Amino acid sequence: GEDVEQSLFLSVREGDSSVINCTYTDSSSTYLYWYKQEPGAGLQLLTYIFSNMDMKQDQRLTVLLNKKDKHLSLRIADTQTGDSAIYFCAEKEGSGYSTLTFGKGTMLLVSP
Amino acid sequence: DTEVTQTPKHLVMGMTNKKSLKCEQHMGHRAMYWYKQKAKKPPELMFVYSYEKLSINESVPSRFSPECPNSSLLNLHLHALQPEDSALYLCASRQDQGPGNTIYFGEGSWLTVV
Repeated sequence: GEDVEQSLFLSVREGDSSVINCTYTDSSSTYLYWYKQEPGAGLQLLTYIFSNMDMKQDQRLTVLLNKKDKHLSLRIADTQTGDSAIYFCAEKEGSGYSTLTFGKGTMLLVSP
Repeated sequence: DTEVTQTPKHLVMGMTNKKSLKCEQHMGHRAMYWYKQKAKKPPELMFVYSYEKLSINESVPSRFSPECPNSSLLNLHLHALQPEDSALYLCASRQDQGPGNTIYFGEGSWLTVV
């Protein structure tokens, strides 16, 4: 079955860049997602990337995909204290009724 | 508008109570989902509705009963729950089950069973 792995914790200082990594096993994954969850809140879709892309940039966020190694990363430039949250990587295979497979989430702690 | 609205935000219920969680979206999405999330864990899929029909039930106990009255609404009826059912219940929706469509989540309903 599908499996998505993430490191559990990352601590950075305000203003630094953060890089959150994710690996997945399902080679038929077509879309890969990053969701952000702040304490007490639901999941906020941050960005996603289609499997035929290598990179996607959206303001402070850069997603890199290495399909050969099945490795996905999310880089947050100029990290702010408001970026402190849990970040979930998720993958979805292409077939009709499949749903998301989530990683366990990476807790990002940004200190002033 | 990418909003999925869930009510109530917080619910405390006894093990003999009957209550319902509600979810609403007005994006014209035809696939709707219930997920359960325990603290510091990823969401776990419970149910999927596609075009108002139940398409996936992830072996959820019958004390959880989903209902999709129309394409904009999704309910989760709760009866005779256990304390271990206390969790964040997330509703999500998607345009349809096609491969390219993004899943949007609501803010969740925090359920405490006492």
